[in-house]
Amino acid sequence: SQTIHQWPATLVQPVGSPLSLECTVEGTSNPNLYWYRQAAGRGLQLLFYSVGIGQISSEVPQNLSASRPQDRQFILSSKKLLLSDSGFYLCAWSRTGAFFGQGTRLTVV
Amino acid sequence: QQQVKQSPQSLIVQKGGISIINCAYENTAFDYFPWYQQFPGKGPALLIAIRPDVSEKKEGRFTISFNKSAKQFSLHIMDSQPGDSATYFCAASDYGQNFVFGPGTRLSVLP
Repeated sequence: SQTIHQWPATLVQPVGSPLSLECTVEGTSNPNLYWYRQAAGRGLQLLFYSVGIGQISSEVPQNLSASRPQDRQFILSSKKLLLSDSGFYLCAWSRTGAFFGQGTRLTVV
Repeated sequence: QQQVKQSPQSLIVQKGGISIINCAYENTAFDYFPWYQQFPGKGPALLIAIRPDVSEKKEGRFTISFNKSAKQFSLHIMDSQPGDSATYFCAASDYGQNFVFGPGTRLSVLP
């Protein structure tokens, strides 16, 4: 069966510090991969999606970037975090349905 | 055209009652309509999904009704329980790539 791992679960970072969130998928090959952000009590905002290694599409201009160095690995990064980057970050993969990781709660202080 | 509209924004139901959440879409290319359940601090979990070639799908207490001509679909939760209290998202997808989510419905089931 397929599983998705996302870490860390919580993260507190100072403004201006770098960010790296990692997501890996097991049990499938060539999945579509996604990064979403969810503000408190709000909906899901698509940040990036990838249909293959090195192929990244950005949905929203922002202070973040994504990379897919391996087929089942998706990384969300920032060189310098802003206060507005705080939120709940979710990685997901899809074939037919979309399946989410458990999320990372990022607080920028 | 890429939007999925969802209502109500919040819903309060008594235990044992029926919870109904409605969604509407515009893009006729969408061919897969899942519903997700999200508990606080957790990622959304796929609850039930339907394709447009059927008008209804039932899994336990959860039923999706789909109206292709109206471009609407809804989630019905029968015999609602306090443990069903969560945020529910509808979504629409074309060929499992482009997922568009509704804004979510916060369901509270009172004991």
